[in-house]
Formats: sequence, C-alpha cells, structure tokens
Amino acid sequence: AQKVTQAQTEISVVEKEDVTLDCVYETRDTTYYLFWYKQPPSGELVFLIRRNSFDEQNEISGRYSWNFQKSTSSFNFTITASQVVDSAVYFCALSEAGAAGNKLTFGGGTRVLVKP
Amino acid sequence: DTGVSQDPRHKITKRGQNVTFRCDPISEHNRLYWYRQTLGQGPEFLTYFQNEAQLEKSRLLSDRFSAERPKGSFSTLEIQRTEQGDSAMYLCASSNPGQGVVAGGEYEQYFGPGTRLTVT
Repeated sequence: AQKVTQAQTEISVVEKEDVTLDCVYETRDTTYYLFWYKQPPSGELVFLIRRNSFDEQNEISGRYSWNFQKSTSSFNFTITASQVVDSAVYFCALSEAGAAGNKLTFGGGTRVLVKP
Repeated sequence: DTGVSQDPRHKITKRGQNVTFRCDPISEHNRLYWYRQTLGQGPEFLTYFQNEAQLEKSRLLSDRFSAERPKGSFSTLEIQRTEQGDSAMYLCASSNPGQGVVAGGEYEQYFGPGTRLTVT
C-alpha cells in the first residue's frame, strides 16, 4: 500500500528566507505521480506541482523548486524568498498508476509560518 | 473555467441526524472524488466516480455513507445517523484524464472549498 510521510509538522521562518519541505513516499508501483498541494487558511487545496516517476529532472517554477530522488523515495519542495502569503499547510501526495481512479494518498502536512 | 464548488460550506447538526452535501465539479471533468480531512491531518480518500459510475469506495465509507452522481455532473454525499466521529472537512475534487499530458498517466485533481461538518 502507498504511504506518504512528511516528518516536519511545522516550520517557522522570517520573510525572504528559503523553506524546504521534506516528503518521503512508499509505493510498490513502478509508475506513480507525486504532487504538492497548498492549503491556505481559507481551506481550499491548491495544486502546485506534479512529477511523474519516470522523470527525475528537477525544475524550478518561479519561487518554487523541487528535488525528486527515486533512490531515496523523496520528493522535497522548496520555496525561495518566502513571503507572508506563503503561510499555509503544504501537503505532499502520491498517486499510483495501478490504483483505480488514481486516488491521492496524502501526507500529514507541514504548516509553514512566514513572519514579516 | 469556474472551479469546483461545494454546498454548504458549513453544517452543524445533532448526533443522529442525516446530512447531505453537494459538489459541482469543473464542467466537463469526468472524474469526481470525495475526501475527508480531520483536524491536523491530510485528506483521506472516500470514493470516486467516473462519469455517473461509482468505481471505488474506501473502507472508511461505512454503510451510513452514500454518494451519488446521477447524471455524471454534480454529486451528493449523504451521511445518515451522524456520529461525533463524522465531524470533519469533506472535500470534493474533480479531474479530467482527457487533459492529461501522459496517456494513462496522472492528472491533477482540483479541489473545492470543502464542507465543514460539526456533529454535536
């Protein structure tokens, strides 16, 4: 069965600092997909990024970047030059190609607090 | 595109009462999911629909829970004889595999604002 672990429950930083969120996953599928979602205080989950298991190329999108390493089953996410609006709970999620409907399995979330 | 909408946003009910939530997915999204999120936890999968067919149900979905998507558009989630343990945020999401980049691959799910249920 799939599992996602986010060991950091809360991170507090001062504005403009970088924030790296850790995510470790378990799956028996060889094809799977990894996601990061943001949940601001309003409660709505917002899709941020997706990565396919067969593409380990790391990318940068604006202030977001991610580091996907299959060898360690990790999918870490970095916010560069954090802003107060980045304060939210961030969830890492996994979807297996073999799972019906490609349902998402979420980690427990990491609360990020960016102080001015 | 308008996003996923859910109604009501908040529901307070007494133990033993029945409640029904509605979800309107993004138009033309053929997959619709229900998740439940308790305080301080990540969302947990409950069930999903491909068009009007309910294709998978989690063991979290007890007999008191029922979901429908009669015309392949909006969906309802009903909880009968509510218990205090049902208090949670109920999230709906939709996706459209037809818009995926990779054939048979994965498509991001777009979430609604959720319905927060409080059972007293």
